[in-house]
Amino acid sequence: DVKVTQSSRYLVKRTGEKVFLECVQDMDHENMFWYRQDPGLGLRLIYFSYDVKMKEKGDIPEGYSVSREKKERFSLILESASTNQTSMYLCASSPPSGQGGEKLFFGSGTQLSVL
Amino acid sequence: AQSVAQPEDQVNVAEGNPLTVKCTYSVSGNPYLFWYVQYPNRGLQFLLKYITGDNLVKGSYGFEAEFNKSQTSFHLKKPSALVSDSALYFCAVRDVGNSGYALNFGKGTSLLVTP
Repeated sequence: DVKVTQSSRYLVKRTGEKVFLECVQDMDHENMFWYRQDPGLGLRLIYFSYDVKMKEKGDIPEGYSVSREKKERFSLILESASTNQTSMYLCASSPPSGQGGEKLFFGSGTQLSVL
Repeated sequence: AQSVAQPEDQVNVAEGNPLTVKCTYSVSGNPYLFWYVQYPNRGLQFLLKYITGDNLVKGSYGFEAEFNKSQTSFHLKKPSALVSDSALYFCAVRDVGNSGYALNFGKGTSLLVTP
């Protein structure tokens, strides 16, 4: 089974801190994604990457950046955390389209609280 | 952009009764549609997908969904609900626009199955 691992289940940070959320997948997937989940808003795409060192903005990239130095790892960075970034963050991966790439595999999520 | 709508925030059903969770879509071109389920404190799990072919799609845990092009709907169904089906359900559509092959999710529907 595909395993997508997010390094922290719960995280508490202070306003203004630089925050790193780490995600690792073990299935050699090309595509990786970061979403945030908020009640009543569903999942919103922050960034995604379709290859090493490649990144694309999603629907809500403001206040975030990403890094993908290795294929298996996709990091989400909050440059200066703010309280409105308190949320559940979900990482996902998928193989290329045409190889079952339509299906996303999700990690268990990181609940980030910014105080 | 491709989008889906889930008109119900919550669906309540008694165990043993059939259940339906509604989803409508808005796309240009042929839709790639998905259902995911999220159990408490867990990431999203794939249930089923419609890409092409038979309008009735069968998925995991006894769920199925019916693609209806004339009504632009993709409702999730199960003939006999279980208490263990209580969870948050998300409909999604693949975005083939600026976000590449990411999925756009609905806001989610909370399903509560009572004994």
